[in-house]
Amino acid sequence: QQQVKQSPQSLIVQKGGISIINCAYENTAFDYFPWYQQFPGKGPALLIAIRPDVSEKKEGRFTISFNKSAKQFSLHIMDSQPGDSATYFCAATPAGSARQLTFGSGTQLTVLP
Amino acid sequence: EPEVTQTPSHQVTQMGQEVILRCVPISNHLYFYWYRQILGQKVEFLVSFYNNEISEKSEIFDDQFSVERPDGSNFTLKIRSTKLEDSAMYFCASSDPGPNEKLFFGSGTQLSVL
Repeated sequence: QQQVKQSPQSLIVQKGGISIINCAYENTAFDYFPWYQQFPGKGPALLIAIRPDVSEKKEGRFTISFNKSAKQFSLHIMDSQPGDSATYFCAATPAGSARQLTFGSGTQLTVLP
Repeated sequence: EPEVTQTPSHQVTQMGQEVILRCVPISNHLYFYWYRQILGQKVEFLVSFYNNEISEKSEIFDDQFSVERPDGSNFTLKIRSTKLEDSAMYFCASSDPGPNEKLFFGSGTQLSVL
């Protein structure tokens, strides 16, 4: 019940295309859903986050879509660039434990020039 | 932007030996964490630390593990008697005291237990 399932495991997109990564969860106590970006040799860095009281959040080229009834959320990267090539992790945490993140398994994104 | 600093970047040790992984969190942060990532697997929560005590820990964080904030700047993870399965990338993280849940992660220490 604590798991966050992420797909796909890897994704190859042409420059300018849209990258979509999906996550699903079961624990209805989860209250905060961040996405992290990780480059090789670096720690995860917060990209964007959403709470379940909104269905969408956009920051620049990055958008989170959230479907509370389906317990799913997704990351959309518009106009994908080669510099976006990285591993992306979704995560979730219950209210009152805002920093004990449960991570998804990660998606290796490659954006071709 | 301020950074979480971890040392060493790589640590090789023999099974059964003690290791200490060191972290310097961001200076005004009050919450500190250790996560780990076994090669090819997801990032896993180990422990959170606030006000000089453990606030939460996972099942992974057994009696072999301990954390300490020995002074005003460092935060350490000690593994008393390392096992082969402790080989992983260990990430330190910190967050600020406000309602913002943003965690800042360090670049990690790659621990290899031989």
